[in-house]
Amino acid sequence: NAGVTQTPKFQVLKTGQSMTLQCAQDMNHNSMYWYRQDPGMGLRLIYYSASEGTTDKGEVPNGYNVSRLNKREFSLRLESAAPSQTSVYFCASSLIWGTGTDTQYFGPGTRLTVL
Amino acid sequence: DQQVKQNSPSLSVQEGRISILNCDYTNSMFDYFLWYKKYPAEGPTFLISISSIKDKNEDGRFTVFLNKSAKHLSLHIVPSQPGDSAVYFCAASLSTDSGTYKYIFGTGTRLKVLA
Repeated sequence: NAGVTQTPKFQVLKTGQSMTLQCAQDMNHNSMYWYRQDPGMGLRLIYYSASEGTTDKGEVPNGYNVSRLNKREFSLRLESAAPSQTSVYFCASSLIWGTGTDTQYFGPGTRLTVL
Repeated sequence: DQQVKQNSPSLSVQEGRISILNCDYTNSMFDYFLWYKKYPAEGPTFLISISSIKDKNEDGRFTVFLNKSAKHLSLHIVPSQPGDSAVYFCAASLSTDSGTYKYIFGTGTRLKVLA
């Protein structure tokens, strides 16, 4: 039982390049999320998918797009990377969305550096 | 505007003693509070939560106390063990106009338990 997996673990991009961060969960969860963590700041929600077929913006969606490919997979795309997107990105999933106390299960993170 | 604040970036405690991690918040409308623990190179894992209508919740060595009048919560770990060394995030959930919840994370406190 792998839980939440993310690829790649590390990535270095040049400004303007694009890339997709992949996330998959094997817990049959309905909801999935993308967060970023920056020094001195808490985890901030980029996008979420409350259920398969739906996606919504979180707190900091600018510069990102997402795709809920199926129930298992939720990808995050940077179309034109900027240095301000240098961060650690976490994918998470939960059984359901929005109860207020739903436990989120996090992946190990992707450390992205944009030069 | 940091609605959830963890003012101590780090804390060192001797093994066997009590660890107290603190969290302050500004929004009295938060419904639930959650604590997550994060080891290096791993994603955060859920530890314990408390409803805003409670003042205490206990789970084994972990107890969370909520003081609503002070807008303050704390996580007590007794006794502290070296394996508790990690970064601890406080999070709060807030209901939205759409009837779901959003989560706001603090910046984390790094706990080091000394053997």
